[in-house]
Amino acid sequence: EPEVTQTPSHQVTQMGQEVILRCVPISNHLYFYWYRQILGQKVEFLVSFYNNEISEKSEIFDDQFSVERPDGSNFTLKIRSTKLEDSAMYFCASSDGSAKRTEAFFGQGTRLTVV
Amino acid sequence: GDSVTQMEGPVTLSEEAFLTINCTYTATGYPSLFWYVQYPGEGLQLLLKATKADDKGSNKGFEATYRKETTSFHLEKGSVQVSDSAVYFCAPQRNQGGKLIFGQGTELSVKP
Repeated sequence: EPEVTQTPSHQVTQMGQEVILRCVPISNHLYFYWYRQILGQKVEFLVSFYNNEISEKSEIFDDQFSVERPDGSNFTLKIRSTKLEDSAMYFCASSDGSAKRTEAFFGQGTRLTVV
Repeated sequence: GDSVTQMEGPVTLSEEAFLTINCTYTATGYPSLFWYVQYPGEGLQLLLKATKADDKGSNKGFEATYRKETTSFHLEKGSVQVSDSAVYFCAPQRNQGGKLIFGQGTELSVKP
């Protein structure tokens, strides 16, 4: 069964450094998302992406964050200058957005640790 | 804004016990409703869904019915197994392709 893949599974970075989290969504899907889960807390929406542009973003998704779909298969989340509070599990998801199959499929996540 | 309230965990049950995890939501319109499950150390997996009022989603012995009148989507299973131990998330989605709004999650621990 097709799946969403994320790399790396774990990333450790120094505070102030830039990180790029990578995702390969399911190939025929049209909607792409990033969520994050701080340890022990709920899953929070960051951003959704459709038709090569951001369709919705949360208050968390400030100017430090950006997303890109550089080559038609990858979907990346960049954090320009990481802060300690960015430490979390980051999940990528995709969906085809159709009425019959609107559910999102999630990757296994990237655990980001900012030190 | 849209929100979800789930039963607080952890919920600890013995194997073969009956499970109910309550979920109520506030959302405009007619959202689709989902339950996702997160097993230890893993990502989120879709457990079941319902896309309109009175629909019942079911999978792996779990069921949930979309109750528009009470804005609820309670998860039930008649006989839980140790392998059901996980965190369960209720999540409405307001429109096709839209974001999911996750509840705080309910941790379930099933003892043999």
